[in-house]
Amino acid sequence: GESVGLHLPTLSVQEGDNSIINCAYSNSASDYFIWYKQESGKGPQFIIDIRSNMDKRQGQRVTVLLNKTVKHLSLQIAATQPGDSAVYFCAENNGGYQKVTFGIGTKLQVIP
Amino acid sequence: ETGVTQTPRHLVMGMTNKKSLKCEQHLGHNAMYWYKQSAKKPLELMFVYNFKEQTENNSVPSRFSPECPNSSHLFLHLHTLQPEDSALYLCASSQKGEDYGYTFGSGTRLTVV
Repeated sequence: GESVGLHLPTLSVQEGDNSIINCAYSNSASDYFIWYKQESGKGPQFIIDIRSNMDKRQGQRVTVLLNKTVKHLSLQIAATQPGDSAVYFCAENNGGYQKVTFGIGTKLQVIP
Repeated sequence: ETGVTQTPRHLVMGMTNKKSLKCEQHLGHNAMYWYKQSAKKPLELMFVYNFKEQTENNSVPSRFSPECPNSSHLFLHLHTLQPEDSALYLCASSQKGEDYGYTFGSGTRLTVV
């Protein structure tokens, strides 16, 4: 398997429960945020994004919450499924396509 | 497939070897990137190409040499690498002017021995 995911913060969740993955970002000037999912052996995959003029955005089974006051981003996954097992990491953009900073990631383990 | 294809998927090379990583995107994007992903570290941006022109080189050692012959293809030429260069090398593309979500390839797992 891939070495990405070892030694990362890990969240273990029972199948069917909701998952919350947190991310603290660094730059108060960041205006666009993205959550990525990386499964073993694959590259990161876009899940959902949010702009700084929003507090919440919902997708299919996923919700992203943005708290600019404390520079905190969270990803909520409803009714977690085994296929959700992966490493999740956030990215912040503070202007321009070259100004994206990625977090270290959280490994989500779904217990059947 | 995400629309960004990387080859090879795995590569083992000696420190004196020369090899190249290839990336191809079929999305019509005009920006392409090389990232390095190591255990316990965030993704590290190495190079950015915008409309085939290199616009970013994040203090990457000269033993890594990028090439972008057209807006669909990106190469990373490797020579005299060190064991600490072992990592997952990811290619990504995006469309400048739109939201900056990247489309990543599956990466090349590089091991330097």
